[in-house]
Amino acid sequence: KAGVTQTPRYLIKTRGQQVTLSCSPISGHRSVSWYQQTPGQGLQFLFEYFSETQRNKGNFPGRFSGRQFSNSRSEMNVSTLELGDSALYLCASSRNPGLQTDTQYFGPGTRLTVL
Amino acid sequence: SQQGEEDPQALSIQEGENATMNCSYKTSINNLQWYRQNSGRGLVHLILIRSNEREKHSGRLRVTLDTSKKSSSLLITASRAADTASYFCATVNFGNEKLTFGTGTRLTIIP
Repeated sequence: KAGVTQTPRYLIKTRGQQVTLSCSPISGHRSVSWYQQTPGQGLQFLFEYFSETQRNKGNFPGRFSGRQFSNSRSEMNVSTLELGDSALYLCASSRNPGLQTDTQYFGPGTRLTVL
Repeated sequence: SQQGEEDPQALSIQEGENATMNCSYKTSINNLQWYRQNSGRGLVHLILIRSNEREKHSGRLRVTLDTSKKSSSLLITASRAADTASYFCATVNFGNEKLTFGTGTRLTIIP
């Protein structure tokens, strides 16, 4: 079974631009979560989608948004990029929402650099 | 914000030795999970321990959980060079079903 895939793997943008990152979950997984990893703030939860609906949201400004399609693929968008948005963006999928017992499987990440 | 603090921040040991990493957290949890990350790549799930469990084993991994002290430890026995990575604990709180990660421990195994 193929793992979680993320595209692109690397991205360079300039301040003020916008960016869209894509995540394809493991086949059969319907929940997709996004995380941002930076040296200063560590790993932080962005949002979770299940059945095309946002179930949970972290403490990020409205410039960060996401969506999920009917095939469970998800995209996240960052508008008006700032230097501080440079990070590794990780996507994770699980079969069901909620993490009491379900394991999340992470993709390799998209490395975003904002110049 | 991060829920957990991990200790130590960095650890270097000789191959074959055991490695112990600790994680402390602040609020009541539903479960605690440990992940491994190889240099700037995705996270790999290692083990999940529920709040009503005290110890769990998986291969060379042993995890303990002390909810009264709000702490957990990860023991890797008979370490190998391939264990070199960053290790993160992550908690899931009741009613807030997201992973909140700790600061991580950078483990280096010296061949």
